[in-house]
Amino acid sequence: AQSVTQPDIHITVSEGASLELRCNYSYGATPYLFWYVQSPGQGLQLLLKYFSGDTLVQGIKGFEAEFKRSQSSFNLRKPSVHWSDAAEYFCAVGRDDSWGKLQFGAGTQVVVTP
Amino acid sequence: DAGVIQSPRHEVTEMGQEVTLRCKPISGHDYLFWYRQTMMRGLELLIYFNNNVPIDDSGMPEDRFSAKMPNASFSTLKIQPSEPRDSAVYFCASSLGHSANTGELFFGEGSRLTVL
Repeated sequence: AQSVTQPDIHITVSEGASLELRCNYSYGATPYLFWYVQSPGQGLQLLLKYFSGDTLVQGIKGFEAEFKRSQSSFNLRKPSVHWSDAAEYFCAVGRDDSWGKLQFGAGTQVVVTP
Repeated sequence: DAGVIQSPRHEVTEMGQEVTLRCKPISGHDYLFWYRQTMMRGLELLIYFNNNVPIDDSGMPEDRFSAKMPNASFSTLKIQPSEPRDSAVYFCASSLGHSANTGELFFGEGSRLTVL
């Protein structure tokens, strides 16, 4: 069974600074990988996804993520955070044979300070 | 275009009462998912439908939980009888298709359930 680990429960970053959120997965084949963002009181919104091809994927809101098979990682990055990036971020893994049955990580809460 | 619509947004009920959560997926989407979010267990998939047919309900915690999708534009998640440990935020999500060209779940804003 697949699993997802987000090692950082909480990250504080200054506005304008760079941000990197870690995600490690466990799955035998090439997984489908996702990053979702959840603002307070809201549902989840897809930031980006990786299915195949270029291992560096671009998403919305200036986010990007890099798939590294050798490290079983799919880390999310943003060069310069904005106060509106304060939210909870979830990494998720899915499989082609059980579409939609996403396994979510525990989430990383991002706080942005002035 | 309207997103996934869930109701009620908040529900407070007493233990033993029946709870019904409702979801209207995005028009044209053929997959519908019910997720539950708690502090202890994070986001868990309860059940999902394809073309109104339940495909996988292995995440439904017990017989007190049931879900239906009578048509393409409506689904319900029912808990009867409710218990305090059912307190959570329940999300409905919908998706179009099943390929690398899609792969996005569109989530509703959730229904926050509190069982006293």
